[in-house]
Amino acid sequence: SAVISQKPSRDICQRGTSLTIQCQVDSQVTMMFWYRQQPGQSLTLIATANQGSEATYESGFVIDKFPISRPNLTFSTLTVSNMSPEDSSIYLCSVETGTVLTNEQFFGPGTRLTVL
Amino acid sequence: AQSVAQPEDQVNVAEGNPLTVKCTYSVSGNPYLFWYVQYPNRGLQFLLKYITGDNLVKGSYGFEAEFNKSQTSFHLKKPSALVSDSALYFCAVRDLDSSASKIIFGSGTRLSIRP
Repeated sequence: SAVISQKPSRDICQRGTSLTIQCQVDSQVTMMFWYRQQPGQSLTLIATANQGSEATYESGFVIDKFPISRPNLTFSTLTVSNMSPEDSSIYLCSVETGTVLTNEQFFGPGTRLTVL
Repeated sequence: AQSVAQPEDQVNVAEGNPLTVKCTYSVSGNPYLFWYVQYPNRGLQFLLKYITGDNLVKGSYGFEAEFNKSQTSFHLKKPSALVSDSALYFCAVRDLDSSASKIIFGSGTRLSIRP
């Protein structure tokens, strides 16, 4: 298993500003994921972050808007840039552990972002 | 392409009664299926998974799920609901036969257990 913490747990931000969300894992993991969960909706994958390489973004998400860092095997950050009210969501960090046949995905508690 | 559907936005059950939360999936290869639960203001918690073997999978908090290949379903069940089971439940699927496959989540079903 993996224990994941995120900072901040919530924030209220002004339009046009940026927020960096931190994700810390208690063990070394290869793959880390960032998800967005808009109010009342399911999880949408933003990007996959592997240590030592650039993040891979899903359709509809770009690096300029959501830059990601992955400096080591236990830490990652997601920045939400130039925020607008439409960015109000819960942002979740997730990691994958195990082999292809046994892997499980664990999630952090989320960061609840409100943009005014 | 893979997808997962949860046809019910909300399920209401009286405490003590059995509950079922429905999920159907579509994958090209063999499915790797999950159920997660999200309590208010908290992240997702893993409930159970199915890869292979017995079609009835037992998980946390007394929940179980039944894999039905012919109906491509993976419904979540519990024999006797508790008020504390009230939460948002997500079914998820991954294509085992694709190394590049990612986990895809359903739209979620809100389970409400009345006393």
